[in-house]
Parts: sequence; structure tokens; C-alpha cells
Amino acid sequence: IAGITQAPTSQILAAGRRMTLRCTQDMRHNAMYWYRQDLGLGLRLIHYSNTAGTTGKGEVPDGYSVSRANTDDFPLTLASAVPSQTSVYFCASSESGGASGGELFFGEGSRLTVL
Amino acid sequence: GQNIDQPTEMTATEGAIVQINCTYQTSGFNGLFWYQQHAGEAPTFLSYNVLDGLEEKGRFSSFLSRSKGYSYLLLKELQMKDSASYLCAVRDMNYQLIWGAGTKLIIKP
Repeated sequence: IAGITQAPTSQILAAGRRMTLRCTQDMRHNAMYWYRQDLGLGLRLIHYSNTAGTTGKGEVPDGYSVSRANTDDFPLTLASAVPSQTSVYFCASSESGGASGGELFFGEGSRLTVL
Repeated sequence: GQNIDQPTEMTATEGAIVQINCTYQTSGFNGLFWYQQHAGEAPTFLSYNVLDGLEEKGRFSSFLSRSKGYSYLLLKELQMKDSASYLCAVRDMNYQLIWGAGTKLIIKP
């Protein structure tokens, strides 16, 4: 089934450790996004990429980095995890970004706990 | 600042109709989305409004009034599987999505 695959689905991590959340899509979508979802808050955009080779900062980019070496993959890295990064992380994609961006397709999420 | 307001939680009865409201104050407007999210799952797309009026899609309808900064999602003939959170999101002048915190809908038999 075509869609977005995230890994891991769940992870407990010690503070200060480096962590990469993986995201792969097979829909050949140009735009990809990383969101975090916290109780009582709306989804918050961390980083995005409108096309392979380009990335941009979202609302809450500090402590996170991304890369977009090809169309399909969009990993999110926490260089040195802190407890405030405990959250559920969703990767999403859309056919295009910006003005022509349509609906988002989401992965199943990665639940990260930083102790 | 930009803000999306939705009720935190609503309860309705199986077979009934429920209306979930969303009001927004954003820097510009380039469309409003509704997503459904079951507990522990990913959000899935329900509807998109960019012009004023009602968009109907089966049991679900979405309404938009840009002058009032207001939208609602109407769910008819409620089923137990409609128990979920409903997320309202507005695309702003920079084409970034601003998300509400979601409305948790509880359906009772």
C-alpha cells in the first residue's frame, strides 16, 4: 500500500543522546513535513521541504535538523535530545508545497520519550 | 498572533447530527482544512474549503465564512466509528498550515 512509513514507531531515549526519526514516502510527492503533536496543542511544524534538495524552518525548529537528499526520504534528527522534545512526531507529504499545496498525507507517527 | 479556536470536547448520540465549530484569526487566508484523527493514529483528510459556502461529502459537510473567520464541520447520522478528534487547519498568507488543538468527539450509543 502506497503511503508514508515512519520508524521507529516508539522510542525511549536518554537526554543528550542523538536520535534520527526516519520517514519514507512512495507517492512521489514533492513536499514533505515534520510535525510534533503535544496534548492540548495543535500540530506544530518543525521543518519542511518543498522539493528534494531544499528545506525550510517551521514554527519550532530549534534542536532539530532535516535533510532531503532525494524525493522519498526526509529524516529528522535530534542532535542532543532534551525532555521537552518528548512528543509524538508525524511526518507528512503533499503533492506540492506552497500555493499549490493540497491535502497532507501523514505517517503513523513516532512516539518519542526523552528521559 | 495567529490562532485557531475549537471546542476541546463534544459528546453526541449515535444516529444524531453534530456541528463542530472552528474560528480563526490568521495572517491571510488560503484555505481551510478539516482532518479526522482516531486515537493513536495519523490524521486523515476530510475536507477543504477556500470559498464561502457549504461543501458536502457524504455524511460530512464543511462550511466556510471568510468574512467571519468561521468554519464548521457537520457530521450526520453519527456512527460509533466517528468517535475521534477533528482538527481544523488554516493555510495562511505564507501557505503554512496553522492547526487548532482539535475537538475530541465522543459518540454515545
